[in-house]
Amino acid sequence: DAGVIQSPRHEVTEMGQEVTLRCKPISGHNSLFWYRQTMMRGLELLIYFNNNVPIDDSGMPEDRFSAKMPNASFSTLKIQPSEPRDSAVYFCASRGGGNYNEQFFGPGTRLTVL
Amino acid sequence: SQQGEEDPQALSIQEGENATMNCSYKTSINNLQWYRQNSGRGLVHLILIRSNEREKHSGRLRVTLDTSKKSSSLLITASRAADTASYFCAYGSSNSGYALNFGKGTSLLVTP
Repeated sequence: DAGVIQSPRHEVTEMGQEVTLRCKPISGHNSLFWYRQTMMRGLELLIYFNNNVPIDDSGMPEDRFSAKMPNASFSTLKIQPSEPRDSAVYFCASRGGGNYNEQFFGPGTRLTVL
Repeated sequence: SQQGEEDPQALSIQEGENATMNCSYKTSINNLQWYRQNSGRGLVHLILIRSNEREKHSGRLRVTLDTSKKSSSLLITASRAADTASYFCAYGSSNSGYALNFGKGTSLLVTP
């Protein structure tokens, strides 16, 4: 298995632009997580899905952020409009089996908003 | 916040020495997990210890869990330069809807 796949790996955009981050979880995994990592705040859970259904989106910073999981093999995290403070590394992770199992992380997308 | 807290924030040792990192948490847990993150990479799962376990080993890793103190420790024995990374503890509970809460990590530097 290729593991969790994220694209793009790097994104540089200007303030106000729309940004879409993509994630393909490990095949057969039924939970998917989006995290944001910054030096100041560490690793923050933004939202997670179970069986394609959003379970907890309380970590989503504001309405500018939205996430979808149209099917079991694909998820997107969209920021519209983007702001410089959104600059961070965004990770997607997936989990299979039970609720307490380990999570498998993708390589992350490094987002820079100028 | 339900985040775990690791200490120390940074640790610098020489190859061959042991490295100990600690983690404290605030809620009741089902299990506690440790992850490693190399610079510029995603997190990689190292080891999981269940709430009814007190100690677990995996290769050069030893994890302890004290649920009465709500704390865990990760010991890396005979460290190598390749162990240089950030180490995070994470725990899940039904209170968090089964999502993991991650601490801010310990940055470990192992010098040759």
